[in-house]
Amino acid sequence: AQSVTQLGSHVSVSEGALVLLRCNYSSSVPPYLFWYVQYPNQGLQLLLKYTTGATLVKGINGFEAEFKKSETSFHLTKPSAHMSDAAEYFCAVSDNQGGKLIFGQGTELSVKP
Amino acid sequence: DVKVTQSSRYLVKRTGEKVFLECVQDMDHENMFWYRQDPGLGLRLIYFSYDVKMKEKGDIPEGYSVSREKKERFSLILESASTNQTSMYLCVIQGVNTEAFFGQGTRLTVV
Repeated sequence: AQSVTQLGSHVSVSEGALVLLRCNYSSSVPPYLFWYVQYPNQGLQLLLKYTTGATLVKGINGFEAEFKKSETSFHLTKPSAHMSDAAEYFCAVSDNQGGKLIFGQGTELSVKP
Repeated sequence: DVKVTQSSRYLVKRTGEKVFLECVQDMDHENMFWYRQDPGLGLRLIYFSYDVKMKEKGDIPEGYSVSREKKERFSLILESASTNQTSMYLCVIQGVNTEAFFGQGTRLTVV
């Protein structure tokens, strides 16, 4: 069975600081990996995804994530946080592009001025 | 634009009532999913369907059932609502090799 663990339910950073949100997964087949963002009172929006190929994936709003098979990780980073990045972030894994998504518990990101 | 429409944005039901949550899509996608979203627990998969009249249990199916009589419609049924089913319910659709599209959610309160 697939599963996702997000380390840290709350992360707080200062504006301009590095954002690092951690995600580890387990999967018995090559995984498809996703990061979604949910702004307050809004629906989930795809940030980026890894299917095959290049392990460093770039997404919207300056975010990127690196698939590390040896570490079973897919951590999300952004070099410089902006106030508008404050939201909840979800990591998800699937065994194919159209299949069921298994989500992590979510990490709430706060950005301090 | 892909449309995933959930029949209600907010619902308040009494304990023991039978509750129907409807999801309709206009993109002819095969795969449809029902999740519930709770603070600190993320999104948890209740049921899913890859075809008409097909259904599979997700991780937390207890207390729920589903119906998919037509490709575009996937219904989640709470046979006898209980207070622990108070939650945000999300319908998600995917085609083969496409993005996931999310409905706007139904916030269900069981009193």
